[in-house]
Amino acid sequence: GAVVSQHPSWVICKSGTSVKIECRSLDFQATTMFWYRQFPKQSLMLMATSNEGSKATYEQGVEKDKFLINHASLTLSTLTVTSAHPEDSSFYICSAREIQGGSQYFGPGTRLLVL
Amino acid sequence: QQPVQSPQAVILREGEDAVINCSSSKALYSVHWYRQKHGEAPVFLMILLKGGEQKGHEKISASFNEKKQQSSLYLTASQLSYSGTYFCGTDDSGGSNYKLTFGKGTLLTVNP
Repeated sequence: GAVVSQHPSWVICKSGTSVKIECRSLDFQATTMFWYRQFPKQSLMLMATSNEGSKATYEQGVEKDKFLINHASLTLSTLTVTSAHPEDSSFYICSAREIQGGSQYFGPGTRLLVL
Repeated sequence: QQPVQSPQAVILREGEDAVINCSSSKALYSVHWYRQKHGEAPVFLMILLKGGEQKGHEKISASFNEKKQQSSLYLTASQLSYSGTYFCGTDDSGGSNYKLTFGKGTLLTVNP
């Protein structure tokens, strides 16, 4: 199956700092990538849809100035959590959709802990 | 719209079968099934696109009904490795508005 990588896998940071998470599709091109957030024992909540070369589309209630998304190429999308606060602590997972076939694959996720 | 998954949880002994259902009030463009183990990201199992479709192999398979509003995941002769939370993700917009909305998940526990 297709492989999506995500780095870093763990981040611990102080309140007020910014954190950048990278997501790469390793063996396929993805014009569209997705960023999800998951709290313990809950479902996956879509934060935003990232399109290569254009602005991301954010879901209702997600602050675009706080969660900056850049989709620089067909294989790379980044999520920057700006001025992180403890309530931003969560499991962030990126996902990429194959152009052919439409299957959507997840990266391994990034656990963010803001102190 | 969030799809409805049932059951919320199921406990099996190794070798037993399970069925997990996913339903929507709207016709869907696609249904995607994933398994997530504790502490890990979801792993893709399969995608269903056509009404009446059945897919998979003998151990793990899925169906999509003709009206494209309901899908079921079938786990046959379960193994310990099948334990985890199963999510269905549904797309009810299609095209350039594609996005998956996930159900609340079904926690499957397989015991020896």
